[in-house]
Amino acid sequence: NAGVTQTPKFQVLKTGQSMTLQCAQDMNHNSMYWYRQDPGMGLRLIYYSASEGTTDKGEVPNGYNVSRLNKREFSLRLESAAPSQTSVYFCASTRLAGTIRRTDTQYFGPGTRLTVL
Amino acid sequence: GQQVMQIPQYQHVQEGEDFTTYCNSSTTLSNIQWYKQRPGGHPVFLIQLVKSGEVKKQKRLTFQFGEAKKNSSLHITATQTTDVGTYFCAGQTNSGYALNFGKGTSLLVTP
Repeated sequence: NAGVTQTPKFQVLKTGQSMTLQCAQDMNHNSMYWYRQDPGMGLRLIYYSASEGTTDKGEVPNGYNVSRLNKREFSLRLESAAPSQTSVYFCASTRLAGTIRRTDTQYFGPGTRLTVL
Repeated sequence: GQQVMQIPQYQHVQEGEDFTTYCNSSTTLSNIQWYKQRPGGHPVFLIQLVKSGEVKKQKRLTFQFGEAKKNSSLHITATQTTDVGTYFCAGQTNSGYALNFGKGTSLLVTP
């Protein structure tokens, strides 16, 4: 099992460019998440998908879109990158389909380090 | 929205000293998780606490969940250089779905 994989590992964009961050998991997990991590800010949830076919906004969704392509894959798109989106992006998944009051272990991918100039 | 506060932000200890990080929520949590992130790495799950007053141990690590389910702590006894990293707590409320992460405590251990 590869677990959670993310591509690319590193990316440099110019302001205004677009790109898609890819995430895939091979653990047959139901829920998937996108976080960004900035120095001193911890992990902030961008979007999540509680189950295949559903997506919901997290704490910081502005400037991003997501697609739950199938049960395995959850992509994050930046339509017009801005310097404020320079960050490390982590994808994560959980076995259980998300419900209120219940969650389980989050398995994180290795991250994508994005710089927007 | 719900806030999960974590202190201290940084801690520097000599190898062999103890270490504690604290997590406080403004609202009651249904459960809390702890993660460790090594420098340059990704967060790795350590443990989940669900019950009021719960205490769990993993070798030198002791995790506690407060009676009111609004606070939690991680205590490391006799730190080692392998304990270096950032420790995050993450809480879920009774009315929410997603986990809310604290900002983390970065631990540096010098030999």
